Amino acid sequence: GENVEQHPSTLSVQEGDSAVIKCTYSDSASNYFPWYKQELGKRPQLIIDIRSNVGEKKDQRIAVTLNKTAKHFSLHITETQPEDSAVYFCAASMRKAAGNKLTFGGGTRVLVKP
Amino acid sequence: GAGVSQSPSNKVTEKGKDVELRCDPISGHTALYWYRQSLGQGLEFLIYFQGNSAPDKSGLPSDRFSAERTGGSVSTLTIQRTQQEDSAVYLCASRSWDPNTGELFFGEGSRLTVL
Repeated sequence: GENVEQHPSTLSVQEGDSAVIKCTYSDSASNYFPWYKQELGKRPQLIIDIRSNVGEKKDQRIAVTLNKTAKHFSLHITETQPEDSAVYFCAASMRKAAGNKLTFGGGTRVLVKP
Repeated sequence: GAGVSQSPSNKVTEKGKDVELRCDPISGHTALYWYRQSLGQGLEFLIYFQGNSAPDKSGLPSDRFSAERTGGSVSTLTIQRTQQEDSAVYLCASRSWDPNTGELFFGEGSRLTVL
């Protein structure tokens, strides 16, 4: 089955700096890569996703890049703010007619220091 | 409902007891997932239901764990003869039937503590 590795496990950045989280996946058939943010005590929520037919996607201060050849994808947060402090999870799945099982990485705890 | 609803929100039980956790997905969502999140850890896949297809049970850690989904809506995760290592937050999520929509909507979770 799919295996998703995520690094680093913790990341501390100064407010205003950029944060980068990297994930690798094992199944070359995976074609959907979402990122979820989980604030302390809250449920995970989707912040951005990318499909295998594109290499990069941006949404305001957040961007995700995908390298299918190397089987890795990254989340970039620019101009970090205290409210970006949370645990971020990457995930991968293979979309098929019967649906898609989503496999998550181990998570990255991001702390933005004011 | 407006979102995924889970109950109970907190459950404390004694080792060896059985527990049932309930998930009420967003109306019309055909896919339903159960994940387990131990303290400070990631999201461990347990089981996945998609419409009328056979569920993907590949993540269930032992035969003490089972889940069912009745009428394509509400799901119940049952843990028999609970052990201390079962202590975790059990998260349910649902997804739309639209194959172009990949977003999972999570519930608040059921926090299970096994004494």
